[in-house]
Amino acid sequence: DAGITQSPRHKVTETGTPVTLRCHQTENHRYMYWYRQDPGHGLRLIHYSYGVKDTDKGEVSDGYSVSRSKTEDFLLTLESATSSQTSVYFCAISDLAPSTDTQYFGPGTRLTVL
Amino acid sequence: RKEVEQDPGPFNVPEGATVAFNCTYSNSASQSFFWYRQDCRKEPKLLMSVYSSGNEDGRFTAQLNRASQYISLLIRDSKLSDSATYLCVVNIGGRDDKIIFGKGTRLHILP
Repeated sequence: DAGITQSPRHKVTETGTPVTLRCHQTENHRYMYWYRQDPGHGLRLIHYSYGVKDTDKGEVSDGYSVSRSKTEDFLLTLESATSSQTSVYFCAISDLAPSTDTQYFGPGTRLTVL
Repeated sequence: RKEVEQDPGPFNVPEGATVAFNCTYSNSASQSFFWYRQDCRKEPKLLMSVYSSGNEDGRFTAQLNRASQYISLLIRDSKLSDSATYLCVVNIGGRDDKIIFGKGTRLHILP
């Protein structure tokens, strides 16, 4: 299995509070991604990174920000959590560009916003 | 038309049977294709890549039909452990350069 960890694995928080999720990889892959998965929607890309300090938005980026200060770490921040952000969040990595490489996923973080 | 479409199922199949499901894609610029497997409350994991010539891995066979823009997954001699959701994944190259996940097909293997 690819060396990807996510923390925390579960979190319950209240509306309006900031939340930061961490993804850590030991594979030295260039690309890192944050997805959310909800029933009826499948996996949707939030943000991705193509290198240290290089990030871009995905299809559902509103309300989220990311940072990548080191190759191995990719942080996802919900500045002010809302109930609509209750979801399962997956981090993924790939060595090459999205169109040419497979992605490997972390174990996920279950976030509940009350 | 949605970019990637799958029958959500569930497919309820007796153990030992053969089951097949398809995935259609809309973007003719799609470059590469994969099947992922996702167990309940787990992360998606790569099952197999789908090549133009088709490929087989044990009981699993994947095929690509570019003319009709679909990929297929065939599972022979199904096992209880095959119960999972199968995600179709399409990589679109060129200017878009993105990956699209289907919503998945749920498979239940019945004893």
